[in-house]
This record gives sequence, C-alpha cells and structure tokens, in this order.
Amino acid sequence: QKEVEQNSGPLSVPEGAIASLNCTYSDRGSQSFFWYRQYSGKSPELIMFIYSNGDKEDGRFTAQLNKASQYVSLLIRDSQPSDSATYLCAVNPTGGSYIPTFGRGTSLIVHP
Amino acid sequence: DAGVTQSPTHLIKTRGQHVTLRCSPISGHKSVSWYQQVLGQGPQFIFQYYEKEERGRGNFPDRFSARQFPNYSSELNVNALLLGDSALYLCASSLEVAEPQHFGDGTRLSIL
Repeated sequence: QKEVEQNSGPLSVPEGAIASLNCTYSDRGSQSFFWYRQYSGKSPELIMFIYSNGDKEDGRFTAQLNKASQYVSLLIRDSQPSDSATYLCAVNPTGGSYIPTFGRGTSLIVHP
Repeated sequence: DAGVTQSPTHLIKTRGQHVTLRCSPISGHKSVSWYQQVLGQGPQFIFQYYEKEERGRGNFPDRFSARQFPNYSSELNVNALLLGDSALYLCASSLEVAEPQHFGDGTRLSIL
C-alpha cells in the first residue's frame, strides 16, 4: 500500500511569515511530486511540481524534495490571508503507473 | 483557453438510481482521470484513460465504470447509487499520463 502522509493541521501562521508544509511518502522509487491548493468548496489547483532532489522556486512558493528521506515540502514566503486553504501533496509511484496518490491535505490558516 | 469542464456541477439522486458525469479535458490533453473526494480526505483515484484506453482502475466496485471518447472527453457512470457515493467527483486531464494533472471544478453528487 503506497502511502502519502500529511499533517492535517490546521497550521496557523501570521501574515508575512513563512509557512512550511510537509509530506512524506512510502514508495522509495517515486519519481514525480505535486502540490495542489484547494480552497473550501473548490477543486484542487496545481501550484508546484518537482521531479529532482533539491529546491524549485516559483514566486513565493518553493518546493523541496529529498528522495533519500522520502519527504517533499512546500514553503510559502510572505504568507497572505488569501493563501488560507488546504494543501494537497500528490506522489506518482514507480512501476510505470502515473496515477498519483494524494495525501489528505494540510489546512493552512494565515491570520492578519 | 478553457480549462477542464465538468457537468453537471451539482446533482441530487436517490438510492438505487444511476448517474452519468461528463468531463471535457483541456484542449490537446489526451489523458483523463476521475477521482472521488469526500470531506476531509484527499482525492481517491477511480479511473485513468489515455487515448481511449483504460490505464488504471482504483479500488472501487464494479458499479463504477467510465469511458473516453475519440475527442478525449470522458464519462463516469455509477449504477445502483448508495448513500456512501455522496461526494465531490473530480475530473483531471494532462497532456500525457506522466504530466501534471489539472482538475475541473467537479460535480457534487448528493444521494438521498
């Protein structure tokens, strides 16, 4: 059973702070990793993807991947109240199956 | 460009009925996947199609079926509806199966 684990939260940070969201996965051979943002009552929106070890930056977002430790994280700099949402981590497994397994998501609250 | 479109947006059915949900992928996307999401959980994989062929099936009963048409649009069918089928049904498309998936707004299905 391939698993993707996320702390359900909520993670509460003040406006302007760095929010750090973490995800661990069980399939050591996983190759592709995705972060989605989901506002309450809405569908998931792709915000980042990463394939290689290290950091990938896009605006205020940075995805970090450490395959040896089997974790992927998402950093949100200068957090805004509009960033308040659930963040879903998704991982593509090995074996040629490109069917991502999703974590249950971490709820982020950015308070003014 | 239009994103992934799903219809209907909301649906109310009673137990034992049948439902058909529809999805049109982003133009040029060949892969379509279906997910079920209940409150507080991440999306659960139901089906993946690529070039009209089923590429994967999740752990759902045979009451669930799907197909992909030559124009890459897709239908999800659910027979003999149960109360537990109440959920948000999400369709996601990608250029190829290994590419990041983009979600539609979903169909919210309520079973009475």
